[in-house]
Amino acid sequence: RKEVEQDPGPFNVPEGATVAFNCTYSNSASQSFFWYRQDCRKEPKLLMSVYSSGNEDGRFTAQLNRASQYISLLIRDSKLSDSATYLCAKGGGADGLTFGKGTHLIIQP
Amino acid sequence: DTAVSQTPKYLVTQMGNDKSIKCEQNLGHDTMYWYKQDSKKFLKIMFSYNNKELIINETVPNRFSPKSPDKAHLNLHINSLELGDSAVYFCASSFTGGNQPQHFGDGTRLSIL
Repeated sequence: RKEVEQDPGPFNVPEGATVAFNCTYSNSASQSFFWYRQDCRKEPKLLMSVYSSGNEDGRFTAQLNRASQYISLLIRDSKLSDSATYLCAKGGGADGLTFGKGTHLIIQP
Repeated sequence: DTAVSQTPKYLVTQMGNDKSIKCEQNLGHDTMYWYKQDSKKFLKIMFSYNNKELIINETVPNRFSPKSPDKAHLNLHINSLELGDSAVYFCASSFTGGNQPQHFGDGTRLSIL
């Protein structure tokens, strides 16, 4: 089983809708989780860290469920500019991040 | 004022050559990394390095070697390039600690002819 798994999509969503996707992980020793956004032919950019208590940043909400070993990302009132690939990652520190393969999101006008 | 910068942005070379990619960060971070993103877009850690320790992903061939002249730089040397080395290579940096997010350079696109 891969350490971090994501549905690759694509998710086709109309502008203004709410979209959510999950990422499952194994090896629960990891304490840190992140969502990154990657645009085509660009570098991954940190979207948000994911905390056990859940966290929100504007239209974006991330949650961590340790019991079921998944993290989620919710995007409200989606914009055309939200179209990108969303990568979840676990770990960090000296071992680096372990990434999922990403979920491709397309916001349609 | 680019935080993590890599050069070159594009690198096209022939099989068997030796090449280097440079990375510099001005964020004051003490840990730097190299990642490889292959044609299937899978992003995988290759190395992490701080001034005390180099951690190598066991799947990385020993043709790849990181070299750090100082805390702000981590260069990647690749010997005897092979077709399968074609990929995008990303440098990243962070403060030490598992809960510290990493910041990425904009990538070096390596194509082997």
